[in-house]
Amino acid sequence: EAGVTQFPSHSVIEKGQTVTLRCDPISGHDNLYWYRRVMGKEIKFLLHFVKESKQDESGMPNNRFLAERTGGTYSTLKVQPAELEDSGVYFCASSQLLLGYSTDTQYFGPGTRLTVL
Amino acid sequence: GESVGLHLPTLSVQEGDNSIINCAYSNSASDYFIWYKQESGKGPQFIIDIRSNMDKRQGQRVTVLLNKTVKHLSLQIAATQPGDSAVYFCAENIYSGAGSYQLTFGKGTKLSVIP
Repeated sequence: EAGVTQFPSHSVIEKGQTVTLRCDPISGHDNLYWYRRVMGKEIKFLLHFVKESKQDESGMPNNRFLAERTGGTYSTLKVQPAELEDSGVYFCASSQLLLGYSTDTQYFGPGTRLTVL
Repeated sequence: GESVGLHLPTLSVQEGDNSIINCAYSNSASDYFIWYKQESGKGPQFIIDIRSNMDKRQGQRVTVLLNKTVKHLSLQIAATQPGDSAVYFCAENIYSGAGSYQLTFGKGTKLSVIP
């Protein structure tokens, strides 16, 4: 079974440009999460999709970040315009069990390293 | 690597010895905890989990202990091998409302195994 995949693995952009990150969850996983780790900080939650719906976006830092999951399969995270402080590693995770269960294990992708110059 | 700038606690152990990695969590209402292993250039990899109604759980060469009184988790790795070298994170699954849970990660501990 394929794991969570993310594309690209690394992106280097100029401040003010736009970048779109993609995540393909494990097949059949309805829950999809985005996390990020910026320099010197812990891994932090960004948002949670259940199928195509945003269940919790409390961790999104500001309106420069837009996440979508059309069709409930893969997800994209767009940063527009990118700022220097957006540099970090963006992780996607997916899980299988039904909403509301605290014990659904989240499986992570390899991450996308974003560098904003 | 991505840990540059993040000053992680480091644990160095001799190959074959046992390792113990500790973690304090924040939310007394958390009922599910996970240990993840992250190798350089990879995402966090699930190792073992434990529910709050347990105080110990064993896997293959790994044991997790949970002390709810002092909000403390530990990960024990038996007969540590060079392939165990990585950063280890504990995470608690916290209810964020609207039927959603989110993982809150600790800072991580870097384990270095000396051959």
